[in-house]
Amino acid sequence: DAGITQSPRYKITETGRQVTLMCHQTWSHSYMFWYRQDLGHGLRLIYYSAAADITDKGEVPDGYVVSRSKTENFPLTLESATRSQTSVYFCASQRLAITGELFFGEGSRLTVL
Amino acid sequence: AQKVTQAQTEISVVEKEDVTLDCVYETRDTTYYLFWYKQPPSGELVFLIRRNSFDEQNEISGRYSWNFQKSTSSFNFTITASQVVDSAVYFCALSEAGSGGSNYKLTFGKGTLLTVNP
Repeated sequence: DAGITQSPRYKITETGRQVTLMCHQTWSHSYMFWYRQDLGHGLRLIYYSAAADITDKGEVPDGYVVSRSKTENFPLTLESATRSQTSVYFCASQRLAITGELFFGEGSRLTVL
Repeated sequence: AQKVTQAQTEISVVEKEDVTLDCVYETRDTTYYLFWYKQPPSGELVFLIRRNSFDEQNEISGRYSWNFQKSTSSFNFTITASQVVDSAVYFCALSEAGSGGSNYKLTFGKGTLLTVNP
């Protein structure tokens, strides 16, 4: 089915480990985003990408790395996970600039012990 | 810097009541976009509406209506005759149409948890 999928949906890891959250969309949308959702903070932008090989930092990029070698994939890597990165991570895509109509994945719940 | 404030953290109503979710925003841009998203208990985020800063007409979609007032920097969301299925977290968001190609980045409020009781 067309859409945006995230994997894994649930992940438990330990402090210091590297974790990669995958995001795949089938619409060929140009724009992709990673948000984290935390109680009391709402949704905060981590990184975004306007096209393949074009990425930029959002509001809370520290401790995260992204890449976008193909339009359809936008993985998010936590290089050395910390407890403060325990969160629900949402990937989203958007077809055009300005519209603001984001299509979200189902979220990936990450727990760092 | 842009900012979105949803002062109501939680609201609880009884089915069939009307309920209004408040959203106040701050921006220095004259051109911007406002949004509402819904996050039901299942967790996915669903786009509800987009409004640009030049269109202050209120919008109605079924039981949902939105009141955009530039004079008070507010974009409030009203659900008429609420139903249990309306129970969700609702997020207001803002995007500035500034220069540099960053006009597709949304700043979200912290959300309002709406519980509609039968």
